[in-house]
Amino acid sequence: GAVVSQHPSWVICKSGTSVKIECRSLDFQATTMFWYRQFPKQSLMLMATSNEGSKATYEQGVEKDKFLINHASLTLSTLTVTSAHPEDSSFYICSASSTGQEQYFGPGTRLTVT
Amino acid sequence: QKEVEQDPGPLSVPEGAIVSLNCTYSNSAFQYFMWYRQYSRKGPELLMYTYSSGNKEDGRFTAQVDKSSKYISLFIRDSQPSDSATYLCAMIASGGSNYKLTFGKGTLLTVNP
Repeated sequence: GAVVSQHPSWVICKSGTSVKIECRSLDFQATTMFWYRQFPKQSLMLMATSNEGSKATYEQGVEKDKFLINHASLTLSTLTVTSAHPEDSSFYICSASSTGQEQYFGPGTRLTVT
Repeated sequence: QKEVEQDPGPLSVPEGAIVSLNCTYSNSAFQYFMWYRQYSRKGPELLMYTYSSGNKEDGRFTAQVDKSSKYISLFIRDSQPSDSATYLCAMIASGGSNYKLTFGKGTLLTVNP
């Protein structure tokens, strides 16, 4: 149980375009989903927290107009990177939780912006 | 001082060894403690989740929490090459409404056959 999927696993896009990443909880209802980014050999950095049906709460320094998060259902959250630039290239990981404390992570999405 | 301190290693042990991984923390509000395992280019996998002080065992893994010392440990018995990964401790403070995880930097473990 407690499986979280992400799609796509790897995406390459051109600078200036937008990219959408999906995060799904496959066998449980996720009242809360979290989005992280991770740079090589570094720990995870929380970008935002979203509760189903509510606006996401962004961490300090994260541009909410650039990283659009939608948590439209109890099993799906999406992260859209708008007007992507090479510095947005990173490993994006979501996690999902039904309780808040136990968070289950997806396999991650590697974004490369050329 | 960072909220969560974790020795990044790297730690290299022979197959079959007992591995001890540790984290210390400074925030007394941390009440929920997790250990995650992360393989290269993959998302973290939840290994252990504990709330109270004491030990929790699951197969070859034992998580230990000492709230009075603000110290948590993960022990791996009979370590296997497949245990080679980065191990992250993570904590959540009580009283918050968003259950934000605070991670340690992670310890890179290599188990040699």
